[in-house]
Amino acid sequence: DAMVIQNPRYQVTQFGKPVTLSCSQTLNHNVMYWYQQKSSQAPKLLFHYYDKDFNNEADTPDNFQSRRPNTSFCFLDIRSPGLGDAAMYLCATSRVRGTQETQYFGPGTRLLVL
Amino acid sequence: AQSVTQLDSQVPVFEEAPVELRCNYSSSVSVYLFWYVQYPNQGLQLLLKYLSGSTLVKGINGFEAEFNRSQTSFHLRKPSVHISDTAEYFCAVSDPNTGGFKTIFGAGTRLFVKA
Repeated sequence: DAMVIQNPRYQVTQFGKPVTLSCSQTLNHNVMYWYQQKSSQAPKLLFHYYDKDFNNEADTPDNFQSRRPNTSFCFLDIRSPGLGDAAMYLCATSRVRGTQETQYFGPGTRLLVL
Repeated sequence: AQSVTQLDSQVPVFEEAPVELRCNYSSSVSVYLFWYVQYPNQGLQLLLKYLSGSTLVKGINGFEAEFNRSQTSFHLRKPSVHISDTAEYFCAVSDPNTGGFKTIFGAGTRLFVKA
């Protein structure tokens, strides 16, 4: 089945130690998104790629970076995780970039910062 | 900027009872509206969406929602819930007039179905 896959499902890192979360998709969608979802809160968009075009949200901290080496893969890099970065990180895709487009979400990676 | 308010953070309901989850959005000339469901430890899944046309939208798993422009609401309903409907439900809005694509999510409503 075509899907959005996130690895690992759970990630533990130490305060200040760089960490990378990965996302892959078999939907061949042009757009890939990264959201941060803290406990009992709405998902918050960090950034997205439209093909190779990177689009950062204005309030996304510089500590968060992303890479998309090809259509199928997208990575979220947290350069120096703080305790406040503990959250669920959701990857999503959509066929094209448009306000009417359905987003397809992966199962998420829960990040714990010690 | 667009915003979404989900009026209830938690809704407990007995199995086979009807349920309504409320959602209001900030006013705009035109909007696209979505309901997503999130089961424990999973990503979000689209239940239904309103783009245009009929104001009553039917989705998966027996859910439906009604777009009310005058009340800026998009409430989600199901006539008879099952235990398996226990999940977090997110209302979301996007504005086709912004020139962008961004979807704004509400804070979520946790539906708890009791036997």
